[in-house]
Amino acid sequence: GQNIDQPTEMTATEGAIVQINCTYQTSGFNGLFWYQQHAGEAPTFLSYNVLDGLEEKGRFSSFLSRSKGYSYLLLKELQMKDSASYLCAALGNTGKLIFGQGTTLQVKP
Amino acid sequence: KAGVTQTPRYLIKTRGQQVTLSCSPISGHRSVSWYQQTPGQGLQFLFEYFSETQRNKGNFPGRFSGRQFSNSRSEMNVSTLELGDSALYLCASSFGPQETQYFGPGTRLLVL
Repeated sequence: GQNIDQPTEMTATEGAIVQINCTYQTSGFNGLFWYQQHAGEAPTFLSYNVLDGLEEKGRFSSFLSRSKGYSYLLLKELQMKDSASYLCAALGNTGKLIFGQGTTLQVKP
Repeated sequence: KAGVTQTPRYLIKTRGQQVTLSCSPISGHRSVSWYQQTPGQGLQFLFEYFSETQRNKGNFPGRFSGRQFSNSRSEMNVSTLELGDSALYLCASSFGPQETQYFGPGTRLLVL
Protein backbone atom coordinates (compact mmCIF):
# COMPACT_ATOMS: atom_id res chain seq x y z
CA GLY A 1 0.00 0.00 0.00
CA GLN A 2 0.90 3.66 -0.05
CA ASN A 3 1.42 5.55 3.16
CA ILE A 4 2.99 8.81 4.30
CA ASP A 5 3.72 9.44 7.98
CA GLN A 6 4.71 12.72 9.59
CA PRO A 7 4.21 14.17 13.08
CA THR A 8 0.93 15.97 13.64
CA GLU A 9 2.24 18.96 15.56
CA MET A 10 5.55 20.57 16.47
CA THR A 11 6.49 23.66 18.43
CA ALA A 12 9.72 25.63 18.14
CA THR A 13 11.15 28.96 19.21
CA GLU A 14 11.83 31.92 16.97
CA GLY A 15 15.43 31.87 15.73
CA ALA A 16 15.84 28.14 16.37
CA ILE A 17 16.18 25.18 13.96
CA VAL A 18 13.45 22.58 13.51
CA GLN A 19 13.45 19.29 11.61
CA ILE A 20 10.18 17.80 10.33
CA ASN A 21 10.44 14.10 9.50
CA CYS A 22 8.49 12.12 6.93
CA THR A 23 8.50 8.40 6.17
CA TYR A 24 6.85 7.04 3.07
CA GLN A 25 5.82 3.81 1.40
CA THR A 26 4.82 3.94 -2.24
CA SER A 27 4.49 1.65 -5.22
CA GLY A 28 7.68 2.72 -6.95
CA PHE A 29 9.20 6.14 -6.29
CA ASN A 30 9.51 9.18 -8.50
CA GLY A 31 10.18 11.94 -6.02
CA LEU A 32 9.40 13.51 -2.65
CA PHE A 33 7.86 16.98 -2.34
CA TRP A 34 7.45 19.38 0.56
CA TYR A 35 4.76 22.05 0.59
CA GLN A 36 3.95 24.82 3.06
CA GLN A 37 0.34 25.71 3.78
CA HIS A 38 -0.71 28.67 5.88
CA ALA A 39 -4.16 28.50 7.47
CA GLY A 40 -6.86 29.26 4.95
CA GLU A 41 -4.45 29.35 2.03
CA ALA A 42 -3.33 26.96 -0.72
CA PRO A 43 -0.17 24.85 -0.41
CA THR A 44 2.96 26.44 -1.85
CA PHE A 45 5.85 24.40 -3.23
CA LEU A 46 9.01 24.30 -1.10
CA SER A 47 11.24 21.52 -2.38
CA TYR A 48 11.62 18.40 -4.50
CA ASN A 49 14.04 15.50 -3.94
CA VAL A 50 14.45 12.50 -6.19
CA LEU A 51 18.08 11.56 -5.43
CA ASP A 52 19.57 10.81 -2.02
CA GLY A 53 21.06 13.75 -0.21
CA LEU A 54 20.43 17.25 0.97
CA GLU A 55 18.96 20.07 -1.13
CA GLU A 56 19.46 23.52 0.34
CA LYS A 57 17.33 26.52 -0.53
CA GLY A 58 17.95 29.50 1.72
CA ARG A 59 16.66 28.87 5.23
CA PHE A 60 14.97 25.65 4.11
CA SER A 61 16.70 22.34 3.32
CA SER A 62 15.25 18.97 2.43
CA PHE A 63 16.90 15.58 2.78
CA LEU A 64 16.06 12.25 1.17
CA SER A 65 17.11 8.65 1.83
CA ARG A 66 15.47 6.39 -0.74
CA SER A 67 16.74 3.19 0.88
CA LYS A 68 15.10 4.15 4.18
CA GLY A 69 11.95 5.70 2.71
CA TYR A 70 12.72 8.78 4.74
CA SER A 71 12.86 12.52 4.24
CA TYR A 72 13.10 15.57 6.43
CA LEU A 73 12.57 19.28 6.04
CA LEU A 74 14.96 21.48 7.98
CA LEU A 75 13.99 25.05 8.78
CA LYS A 76 16.71 27.34 10.12
CA GLU A 77 16.51 30.75 11.79
CA LEU A 78 12.82 30.27 12.41
CA GLN A 79 10.55 33.26 11.97
CA MET A 80 7.02 33.77 13.22
CA LYS A 81 5.77 33.65 9.62
CA ASP A 82 7.02 30.04 9.40
CA SER A 83 4.06 28.99 11.56
CA ALA A 84 2.14 26.84 9.09
CA SER A 85 1.34 23.30 8.10
CA TYR A 86 4.10 21.42 6.25
CA LEU A 87 2.97 18.71 3.86
CA CYS A 88 5.12 15.82 2.73
CA ALA A 89 4.05 14.19 -0.55
CA ALA A 90 5.46 11.22 -2.46
CA LEU A 91 5.10 10.47 -6.15
CA GLY A 92 4.86 6.79 -6.93
CA ASN A 93 4.78 4.84 -10.15
CA THR A 94 1.05 5.39 -10.48
CA GLY A 95 1.75 9.06 -11.10
CA LYS A 96 -0.44 10.07 -8.17
CA LEU A 97 0.94 12.49 -5.60
CA ILE A 98 0.15 11.05 -2.17
CA PHE A 99 0.11 13.54 0.71
CA GLY A 100 0.72 13.02 4.39
CA GLN A 101 -1.67 14.56 6.92
CA GLY A 102 0.67 17.49 7.42
CA THR A 103 2.70 18.76 10.37
CA THR A 104 1.41 21.91 12.04
CA LEU A 105 4.38 23.96 13.18
CA GLN A 106 3.90 26.64 15.79
CA VAL A 107 6.74 29.14 16.19
CA LYS A 108 6.76 30.91 19.54
CA PRO A 109 8.58 34.15 20.40
CA LYS B 1 3.29 34.83 -14.98
CA ALA B 2 -0.20 34.39 -13.53
CA GLY B 3 -0.72 31.52 -11.12
CA VAL B 4 -3.41 28.89 -11.06
CA THR B 5 -6.86 30.41 -10.79
CA GLN B 6 -9.99 28.75 -9.49
CA THR B 7 -13.59 29.87 -9.60
CA PRO B 8 -15.69 30.30 -7.66
CA ARG B 9 -13.74 30.84 -4.44
CA TYR B 10 -16.68 30.11 -2.16
CA LEU B 11 -19.85 28.17 -2.72
CA ILE B 12 -22.84 27.18 -0.60
CA LYS B 13 -25.10 24.40 -1.85
CA THR B 14 -27.76 22.15 -0.38
CA ARG B 15 -27.84 18.37 -0.30
CA GLY B 16 -28.84 16.80 -3.60
CA GLN B 17 -27.69 19.69 -5.75
CA GLN B 18 -24.78 19.54 -8.14
CA VAL B 19 -21.79 21.83 -8.50
CA THR B 20 -19.18 22.64 -11.14
CA LEU B 21 -15.78 24.04 -10.20
CA SER B 22 -13.36 25.58 -12.66
CA CYS B 23 -9.58 25.71 -12.81
CA SER B 24 -7.28 27.62 -15.16
CA PRO B 25 -3.69 26.36 -15.04
CA ILE B 26 -0.50 28.37 -15.26
CA SER B 27 0.19 29.33 -18.86
CA GLY B 28 2.07 26.51 -20.59
CA HIS B 29 1.06 23.88 -18.04
CA ARG B 30 -0.83 21.00 -19.59
CA SER B 31 -1.41 18.80 -16.56
CA VAL B 32 -4.13 19.54 -14.00
CA SER B 33 -4.82 17.62 -10.81
CA TRP B 34 -7.68 18.00 -8.35
CA TYR B 35 -7.62 17.39 -4.60
CA GLN B 36 -10.14 17.46 -1.78
CA GLN B 37 -8.91 18.79 1.55
CA THR B 38 -10.77 18.27 4.81
CA PRO B 39 -9.52 18.63 8.41
CA GLY B 40 -9.96 14.92 9.10
CA GLN B 41 -8.62 13.41 5.86
CA GLY B 42 -6.04 15.89 4.73
CA LEU B 43 -5.33 16.28 1.00
CA GLN B 44 -6.93 13.49 -1.01
CA PHE B 45 -6.25 13.00 -4.71
CA LEU B 46 -9.32 13.16 -6.94
CA PHE B 47 -8.05 12.97 -10.52
CA GLU B 48 -5.39 14.11 -12.94
CA TYR B 49 -5.82 15.28 -16.53
CA PHE B 50 -3.24 15.70 -19.26
CA SER B 51 -3.97 16.63 -22.87
CA GLU B 52 -7.72 16.30 -22.26
CA THR B 53 -7.35 12.71 -20.99
CA GLN B 54 -7.85 11.48 -17.46
CA ARG B 55 -4.56 9.81 -16.48
CA ASN B 56 -5.33 8.93 -12.88
CA LYS B 57 -8.30 8.72 -10.59
CA GLY B 58 -8.48 8.60 -6.80
CA ASN B 59 -10.83 6.58 -4.62
CA PHE B 60 -13.91 8.75 -4.87
CA PRO B 61 -17.43 7.75 -5.91
CA GLY B 62 -18.69 8.27 -9.45
CA ARG B 63 -20.52 11.42 -8.32
CA PHE B 64 -17.16 13.13 -8.72
CA SER B 65 -16.19 13.70 -12.33
CA GLY B 66 -14.02 16.03 -14.33
CA ARG B 67 -12.80 17.03 -17.72
CA GLN B 68 -10.11 19.05 -19.40
CA PHE B 69 -10.46 21.29 -22.41
CA SER B 70 -8.09 21.84 -25.31
CA ASN B 71 -6.75 25.02 -23.67
CA SER B 72 -5.84 22.92 -20.58
CA ARG B 73 -8.54 24.51 -18.43
CA SER B 74 -10.30 21.94 -16.29
CA GLU B 75 -13.63 21.54 -14.57
CA MET B 76 -14.78 19.14 -11.90
CA ASN B 77 -18.37 18.29 -11.18
CA VAL B 78 -19.95 16.81 -8.09
CA SER B 79 -23.50 15.57 -8.45
CA THR B 80 -26.04 14.72 -5.74
CA LEU B 81 -24.11 16.62 -3.09
CA GLU B 82 -23.80 15.17 0.39
CA LEU B 83 -22.93 16.92 3.65
CA GLY B 84 -19.58 15.13 3.66
CA ASP B 85 -18.62 16.83 0.40
CA SER B 86 -18.04 20.07 2.31
CA ALA B 87 -14.35 20.72 1.80
CA LEU B 88 -11.69 22.84 0.17
CA TYR B 89 -11.23 21.73 -3.44
CA LEU B 90 -7.77 22.45 -4.75
CA CYS B 91 -6.55 22.40 -8.30
CA ALA B 92 -2.85 22.10 -9.13
CA SER B 93 -1.12 22.44 -12.47
CA SER B 94 2.24 21.27 -13.80
CA PHE B 95 4.06 21.26 -17.13
CA GLY B 96 3.41 17.57 -17.46
CA PRO B 97 2.66 14.45 -15.46
CA GLN B 98 5.00 13.72 -12.55
CA GLU B 99 6.37 17.26 -12.48
CA THR B 100 6.15 19.82 -9.69
CA GLN B 101 2.56 20.86 -9.05
CA TYR B 102 1.53 24.43 -8.24
CA PHE B 103 -1.72 24.97 -6.41
CA GLY B 104 -4.53 27.41 -6.94
CA PRO B 105 -6.29 29.19 -4.06
CA GLY B 106 -9.04 26.57 -3.91
CA THR B 107 -12.82 26.59 -3.86
CA ARG B 108 -14.38 26.27 -0.45
CA LEU B 109 -17.63 24.32 -0.76
CA LEU B 110 -20.18 24.17 2.04
CA VAL B 111 -23.06 21.73 1.68
CA LEU B 112 -26.05 22.40 3.92
